[in-house]
This record gives sequence, C-alpha cells and structure tokens, in this order.
Amino acid sequence: NAGVMQNPRHLVRRRGQEARLRCSPMKGHSHVYWYRQLPEEGLKFMVYLQKENIIDESGMPKERFSAEFPKEGPSILRIQQVVRGDSAAYFCASSPGTHGYTFGSGTRLTVV
Amino acid sequence: DQQVKQNSPSLSVQEGRISILNCDYTNSMFDYFLWYKKYPAEGPTFLISISSIKDKNEDGRFTVFLNKSAKHLSLHIVPSQPGDSAVYFCAASASGTYKYIFGTGTRLKVLA
Repeated sequence: NAGVMQNPRHLVRRRGQEARLRCSPMKGHSHVYWYRQLPEEGLKFMVYLQKENIIDESGMPKERFSAEFPKEGPSILRIQQVVRGDSAAYFCASSPGTHGYTFGSGTRLTVV
Repeated sequence: DQQVKQNSPSLSVQEGRISILNCDYTNSMFDYFLWYKKYPAEGPTFLISISSIKDKNEDGRFTVFLNKSAKHLSLHIVPSQPGDSAVYFCAASASGTYKYIFGTGTRLKVLA
C-alpha cells in the first residue's frame, strides 16, 4: 500500500508560467488536503477536496490558484502565472475521514 | 494571527537525555493536538496526538502533555537518540474540523 504520492518532487518555473502539482492519495482515502510551507514557516492549509468536490478552499489565494480532485486520477493543484512569492513546499495529505492525515513528500516549487 | 506558537526555533540535546519541545495555542476551541516530525526533503510524519479530554498520552519514548488552562502542550522524548534529529511541528484542530493549524516548528538536534 503505497503512501501519498506527489510529483514532481522538484519543479522550477519562470515567472509567468504555470505550475501543476499532482497528488495521488493513499488507496482507500477519499479526502485530500493541500498545505503550503513557505520558508521558515509552518504548514498552512490551502484546500480540502473530496472526489469531484471542493469542500473548503478558504486557504487558497483568490487568484491564480485552483485545485481539483477528479473522479479518476490524481488531485491537481494548479498555479497560473507564477510569481517568486509562490516558491514554497507544497504538501498533499490524504485521509479516510477528517482525521488521520498521511502526508506526501511534497513538491518544492522554485520560481526563477 | 499565529494561533499555534512554537517559540523555540531550535534545540540541542545530548544523546540519552530528555528533549522537551513546547507549544502554545490561543484558540480555546482547539481540542485535538498533534505532533509531526519532519526530516529534510520529506513530508511530515505523524508522531503522537492528544485529545483535550486527556492531559497526557504516551507512546514509547514519546509523551505529550496538555495543560488546557495554560493553553500549552509539550512533547517529551526520553531518551533522545541521534535519529530523532528533525523538525518537530505542533498542530491543533477543533472538533468537527479537518483543518490543522501548524506551528512554525522546532529543529531538534540530538548530539552523539
């Protein structure tokens, strides 16, 4: 039973490009959460999704960021027109319910 | 508004001694607390949790203490081992919510 799989592990984008971060939850987990960790900070909640539904996106910046968790395939966090301030580690977690998170290894996004 | 605070960014302890990591919170609605451990380039891994109906929870070398009146919790590691060297995050949530509020982390270094 593989853990939460995130890819890519590292992503470099130039300012203005799009970044797509993928997360495959653990088998049997239907709840997915995205967190962001800026340098020298703790993890901050971005969005909570269940299959085909966004349950809570209160932590997502209003512009340029979107997330989906389709019926088939991984959850995707999409950042359009990236800026330097988007450089961070993005962690996905999954759970069978609303507790008991398992985190993935993260995607480190660097915007140059 | 930092609702979960870890005021010590780093801590060094001799192997075999006790490590004490502290965490303070401000939101009295929080009733579930967790500690996560994070190695470089990896995602956070769950270590131990405590519900507000308890004041202590123990798991092997790890014990978490909760002082609700002081809104304070601490993680004790006895005896400390070099493999415990990592960043430790305290997190909190309120009943019925799925969002974890993380502290900024304490980097523990256990010296051999």
